[in-house]
Amino acid sequence: QQQVKQSPQSLIVQKGGISIINCAYENTAFDYFPWYQQFPGKGPALLIAIRPDVSEKKEGRFTISFNKSAKQFSLHIMDSQPGDSATYFCAASISGGSNYKLTFGKGTLLTVNP
Amino acid sequence: ETGVTQSPTHLIKTRGQQVTLRCSSQSGHNTVSWYQQALGQGPQFIFQYYREEENGRGNFPPRFSGLQFPNYSSELNVNALELDDSALYLCASGSGGYGYTFGSGTRLTVV
Repeated sequence: QQQVKQSPQSLIVQKGGISIINCAYENTAFDYFPWYQQFPGKGPALLIAIRPDVSEKKEGRFTISFNKSAKQFSLHIMDSQPGDSATYFCAASISGGSNYKLTFGKGTLLTVNP
Repeated sequence: ETGVTQSPTHLIKTRGQQVTLRCSSQSGHNTVSWYQQALGQGPQFIFQYYREEENGRGNFPPRFSGLQFPNYSSELNVNALELDDSALYLCASGSGGYGYTFGSGTRLTVV
């Protein structure tokens, strides 16, 4: 059972363009939604995260949009740069207690052409 | 620069063998989680340790076990290795909340 579905599997964008990656979740108990960036040979690094009490969060060129009723959230990368080329993962978890299990999507390989 | 160090970086084992992977967390991080990342997939939660006790486990068999030590280090042990265990194993540590830091992982190949 895949609780977090991510699309597209791969994405090619020109430098300066907007990259958009979408995720959908099934478990309504999820209340924390982070995005991770992973470069080859490295572990995932937290990029930006959102909680369902807000519909949008922006940090620099990165924006998360969240639609609680549709159980969907997306990552927008504005002014995409070749250095943004990496694999992006959405994830979700349930807060409370001391268990911070993250459920990840399958990832999106982003290529930004110069 | 990540504060989570994993060793070894690469490892080749034979089917049926046992393996121990190690993780050194940042000082003060009392929670450590282990994830398995198969090629082309997202990380899958194996288990989590909080103050040296396992407090959460994913859909992995008992031959996957772990330990967390008072010095913020931890181990992932896998017995009776199978070919499908070939993956990148990631350690992530934190001190509560959601600012988890991942290590660069150990690439395990089972032949």
